[in-house]
Amino acid sequence: GENVEQHPSTLSVQEGDSAVIKCTYSDSASNYFPWYKQELGKGPQLIIDIRSNVGEKKDQRIAVTLNKTAKHFSLHITETQPEDSAVYFCAASKEGKLIFGQGTELSVKP
Amino acid sequence: ETGVTQTPRHLVMGMTNKKSLKCEQHLGHNAMYWYKQSAKKPLELMFVYSLEERVENNSVPSRFSPECPNSSHLFLHLHTLQPEDSALYLCASSQDVIAGEQFFGPGTRLTVL
Repeated sequence: GENVEQHPSTLSVQEGDSAVIKCTYSDSASNYFPWYKQELGKGPQLIIDIRSNVGEKKDQRIAVTLNKTAKHFSLHITETQPEDSAVYFCAASKEGKLIFGQGTELSVKP
Repeated sequence: ETGVTQTPRHLVMGMTNKKSLKCEQHLGHNAMYWYKQSAKKPLELMFVYSLEERVENNSVPSRFSPECPNSSHLFLHLHTLQPEDSALYLCASSQDVIAGEQFFGPGTRLTVL
């Protein structure tokens, strides 16, 4: 079955710096790759996603890149702010079933 | 109310109790999901319902019993749980099981004593 590996597990950056979180997946048939942000006491919130027919997608300060050949995808956050501090999860999906990575705890220091 | 709501938000129960978790989605979606989130582990899919029919049961112990009376409501009935079942239980919904985009509720923090 599908397996998703996410790195790093924790990431600390200074406000204004960029943050990058990487994920690899095992099933080449996976075709949908969402990223979720989970703040303390809340459920995961979808922040950006990408489908396998696209290599890159950007939404303001966040962007996702996908390399289908290497089976990895990454989340990029630029100009980080303290409110970006949260746990971020990647996921890979085939036929709608989401397999999640282990999560990255991002801390943005003011 | 908008989005996906879950009640209660916190629950403490003994191993011999019976309790139920409730989820309601206000998005007009046709698919609903239960996930278990334990510390330091990825989200684990437990059950999937499509148009009130269970389409997936991921080898979940029978002490967890789901119920989907209509496409807007999902329940998780709990009985004779173990301490290791303590976790955050998340409900999600999507337009359909193929759609991909899933929207999560805030979760129920369950503690089993």
